Amino acid sequence: DTGVSQNPRHKITKRGQNVTFRCDPISEHNRLYWYRQTLGQGPEFLTYFQNEAQLEKSRLLSDRFSAERPKGSFSTLEIQRTEQGDSAMYLCASSTYNYGYTFGSGTRLTVV
Amino acid sequence: GENVEQHPSTLSVQEGDSAVIKCTYSDSASNYFPWYKQELGKGPQLIIDIRSNVGEKKDQRIAVTLNKTAKHFSLHITETQPEDSAVYFCAASISTGANNLFFGTGTRLTVIP
Repeated sequence: DTGVSQNPRHKITKRGQNVTFRCDPISEHNRLYWYRQTLGQGPEFLTYFQNEAQLEKSRLLSDRFSAERPKGSFSTLEIQRTEQGDSAMYLCASSTYNYGYTFGSGTRLTVV
Repeated sequence: GENVEQHPSTLSVQEGDSAVIKCTYSDSASNYFPWYKQELGKGPQLIIDIRSNVGEKKDQRIAVTLNKTAKHFSLHITETQPEDSAVYFCAASISTGANNLFFGTGTRLTVIP
């Protein structure tokens, strides 16, 4: 297992376009998290899955954002009608109950 | 919700010296405190963590101390090396399998050779 994998690594999109990111967690981890990190700040929680169930969503996750984890394995995060304020690093992490998070390398989104 | 404050925001030390980064938290229910190292272009990497039933934990050159009464915890790096240069984040949550971590704003550590 090579850890948490995120694709793409970089995404440049025009304002108003939709984008989708993918996260492949560590295979035996049943918990999956999405975080957003802006320049010079710590990561901020967006949403959390336990298996395929989305159990918590942050108020940061506006109705333009949607996340899925259809079979309890990989997850996707979609942003509709992107805005310049969506430009950030989107981090995925996975864990089991008794172990800390393992983060992926992130997807850097730039909205122009 | 939880509020984690981290100081200093930048820290420069000479190679071989020690570095100390301090964090405070607001929610007395928090009981898990991990530290992450983030290098340029990479995601945060867990380097050490501590639970509230322990006051100190050490792993080679890295140690973390926790004072639950004062609600603060610190990262200590001894015998610093240039490869320790990175941004370090503290975080707090309610359990190791918590739904979400609350992060500090980070400390950029520079180790001068």
